[in-house]
Amino acid sequence: AQSVSQHNHHVILSEAASLELGCNYSYGGTVNLFWYVQYPGQHLQLLLKYFSGDPLVKGIKGFEAEFIKSKFSFNLRKPSVQWSDTAEYFCAVNEGSSNTGKLIFGQGTTLQVKP
Amino acid sequence: DTAVSQTPKYLVTQMGNDKSIKCEQNLGHDTMYWYKQDSKKFLKIMFSYNNKELIINETVPNRFSPKSPDKAHLNLHINSLELGDSAVYFCASSRPGTRSTGELFFGEGSRLTVL
Repeated sequence: AQSVSQHNHHVILSEAASLELGCNYSYGGTVNLFWYVQYPGQHLQLLLKYFSGDPLVKGIKGFEAEFIKSKFSFNLRKPSVQWSDTAEYFCAVNEGSSNTGKLIFGQGTTLQVKP
Repeated sequence: DTAVSQTPKYLVTQMGNDKSIKCEQNLGHDTMYWYKQDSKKFLKIMFSYNNKELIINETVPNRFSPKSPDKAHLNLHINSLELGDSAVYFCASSRPGTRSTGELFFGEGSRLTVL
């Protein structure tokens, strides 16, 4: 069965620090990969996605993620975080051949950015 | 205007009671979902409907019954509530043709507490 693992459960950074959140998945076939973000008091929203092509994808608010197929990883990065990036971050996987829209989520990472 | 709205946002009830959570989307999407987030923040899919037809039914107890009167609404009814049902329930929807791509639009969640 598919699974998604996020290594960092709680990350605390100061503003302007660089961010990297780890995400690994277990599935041998074609996958679509996502990062979702949930800001305090708001709904989950898509941050970025990878379907195919360039393994380095850029999302909203300066975030990017790199798909490394050999490592089954899809780590999220941002060069310089802001206080407003404080949120929960969820990595998710969808089978590429699936037509059901079923997402397998990681446990989430709480990011706290200190001003 | 709220895209995916859920009611109620908070629900506190006693064991054994029956309760419902309603979800409506005004995005014109054809597929809707219910996800459950447990105390460890894992999000797991429960059900999915496409144009009122059930397409995903994960191993969820029969006490949970989704109902989709039309493609803009997906309600969740829970009978004989148990302590383990305490969780945050998220409704989501996706655009026509994107079921396989996992781009979901989420509601704000309904926090159910069973005492």
